[in-house]
Amino acid sequence: DVKVTQSSRYLVKRTGEKVFLECVQDMDHENMFWYRQDPGLGLRLIYFSYDVKMKEKGDIPEGYSVSREKKERFSLILESASTNQTSMYLCASGPPGHYYEQYFGPGTRLTVT
Amino acid sequence: QKEVEQNSGPLSVPEGAIASLNCTYSDRGSQSFFWYRQYSGKSPELIMFIYSNGDKEDGRFTAQLNKASQYVSLLIRDSQPSDSATYLCAVTGDKIIFGKGTRLHILP
Repeated sequence: DVKVTQSSRYLVKRTGEKVFLECVQDMDHENMFWYRQDPGLGLRLIYFSYDVKMKEKGDIPEGYSVSREKKERFSLILESASTNQTSMYLCASGPPGHYYEQYFGPGTRLTVT
Repeated sequence: QKEVEQNSGPLSVPEGAIASLNCTYSDRGSQSFFWYRQYSGKSPELIMFIYSNGDKEDGRFTAQLNKASQYVSLLIRDSQPSDSATYLCAVTGDKIIFGKGTRLHILP
């Protein structure tokens, strides 16, 4: 079974703090993704990576950056957290190519106060 | 703007009946189609995928794809209360696009 883990289930941070969300997968997948999910807006892609040290912007990259130093690990960074970044953050991994399935981690519910 | 549309629901179906969930998409170049189930407070879980026109069955689930009409559907036979969840349709072409989901409620 594919296993995707995320570093925290719940996180509370203050405005202006730097926030790190980490994701690890154990299936040797090339693709990794970061989404946020908000009521009424659905899943929105923030960043994705098709290989180590490679990253591409998704639909809403503003205010976020990512790091992929190892194949199994993909980190999302909020450089200066703001209240509008309060959301559920979901990491996913999947086999290579644009057309294949994704497997999601349990999510991190981030609250920025 | 490429879009994936789903009726938000809730769709209420009696236990034991067939639940039918529909999804339409705008990009004719779309190549792969996925259904995810998401329980409240949990992350999406992949349940079906289909690449070719026609039907694909897996247990109580059947995915149906009609590329000419640009829709994909998910049928759940013998619906159970544990099927109550939000079902997300996802479509990939040059990128993946998720619909906002349909809430399904199975009535005991």
